[in-house]
Amino acid sequence: GAVVSQHPSRVICKSGTSVKIECRSLDFQATTMFWYRQFPKQSLMLMATSNEGSKATYEQGVEKDKFLINHASLTLSTLTVTSAHPEDSSFYICSWAGDSTDTQYFGPGTRLTVL
Amino acid sequence: GNSVTQMEGPVTLSEEAFLTINCTYTATGYPSLFWYVQYPGEGLQLLLKATKADDKGSNKGFEATYRKETTSFHLEKGSVQVSDSAVYFCALRSNRDDKIIFGKGTRLHILP
Repeated sequence: GAVVSQHPSRVICKSGTSVKIECRSLDFQATTMFWYRQFPKQSLMLMATSNEGSKATYEQGVEKDKFLINHASLTLSTLTVTSAHPEDSSFYICSWAGDSTDTQYFGPGTRLTVL
Repeated sequence: GNSVTQMEGPVTLSEEAFLTINCTYTATGYPSLFWYVQYPGEGLQLLLKATKADDKGSNKGFEATYRKETTSFHLEKGSVQVSDSAVYFCALRSNRDDKIIFGKGTRLHILP
């Protein structure tokens, strides 16, 4: 099956610093990818949809200047949490769209803790 | 708006027990319904899906039937194994856009 990696798997940072999370598709290419966030005991919430070569589309309530998405290629996307604060502590998950609209391939997630 | 509600975990069962994880949804139109599974240290994987009323999705011994009258998509397995220990997410995709709406997930522990 399709393999997606995320790096780092865990990160702890101080309040006010920026953190970059990488998401790579290892054995396939895709134009569209997604970033999700999951708070403890909550659902995965879609943050943004990104198409390679275009600006990301952010969901309502997600600040585009705080969560910078760089969709560099058909296999790499990064999410940068700028000026992180404790309330940004969460589990961030990426996924890449498959051949059909029902198919997404998910990364294992990155746990961010902001002190 | 669209939403998914699934039973809270953790659910702990003995090996070979019968499993049910309840899931109900709220959606306009005719959504597609999914169950995803996340094994420790791995990404979510699609377990099964159903795209219209009365469809039954099945995979690896798991089953779920799309019940429009009760807006439910309960996950069942007749005899669970230790290797089934994971987090299970119920989800829907509206036929009006490509966004997937997830439930909160249910952690399943199977004891040998």
